[in-house]
Amino acid sequence: QQQVRQSPQSLTVWEGGTTVLTCSYEDSTFNYFPWYQQFPGEGPALLISILSVSDKKEDGRFTTFFNKREKKLSLHIIDSQPGDSATYFCAASGNAGAKLTFGGGTRLTVRP
Amino acid sequence: EAAVTQSPRNKVAVTGGKVTLSCNQTNNHNNMYWYRQDTGHGLRLIHYSYGAGSTEKGDIPDGYKASRPSQENFSLILELATPSQTSVYFCASGDWGPSYEQYFGPGTRLTVL
Repeated sequence: QQQVRQSPQSLTVWEGGTTVLTCSYEDSTFNYFPWYQQFPGEGPALLISILSVSDKKEDGRFTTFFNKREKKLSLHIIDSQPGDSATYFCAASGNAGAKLTFGGGTRLTVRP
Repeated sequence: EAAVTQSPRNKVAVTGGKVTLSCNQTNNHNNMYWYRQDTGHGLRLIHYSYGAGSTEKGDIPDGYKASRPSQENFSLILELATPSQTSVYFCASGDWGPSYEQYFGPGTRLTVL
């Protein structure tokens, strides 16, 4: 069973639009939540991360929100660009990131 | 910049054969990881290591062994490869810090016939 669930599996948005990806988790000991971005043929790379003591973290066009009560997190991408087309993974860890549990991923396509 | 390399990048193996996937990192990180990536499953942790000489079982260790002979090198060994082990394998390294990050290699595509 997956401890971290991610939705949707795939998503297409128009250039300039806002993308919203969501994840939910079960383990209440999770306290660190990174998002990784993966382009075809490459390994994933850290995009943004948040600790459970925060409810929002922003980095340019990317913002991640965390809701501890509902055990949910989301990634918002504003002004989406074709270069953002990639697969996005949320992940969770209970010990500051040393062992991550990944969600199933969302394949994002941004159309010009 | 962080550097994790994997070899081979592509491998075709026969059922029952032995396969060794190698990973090298020049980041001097203590922690190293092996994941497999399959559509719909994301990345699943097979084995990991906290330093030279140590290996730990991840979430899906069955059918795999790992070896960490040095700080820089971490190998994944399939003693008796099966078609169900056909996948893309990623190695990563990371270390403790205020903003923990795992640095991934480019992946190895393994096909077991």
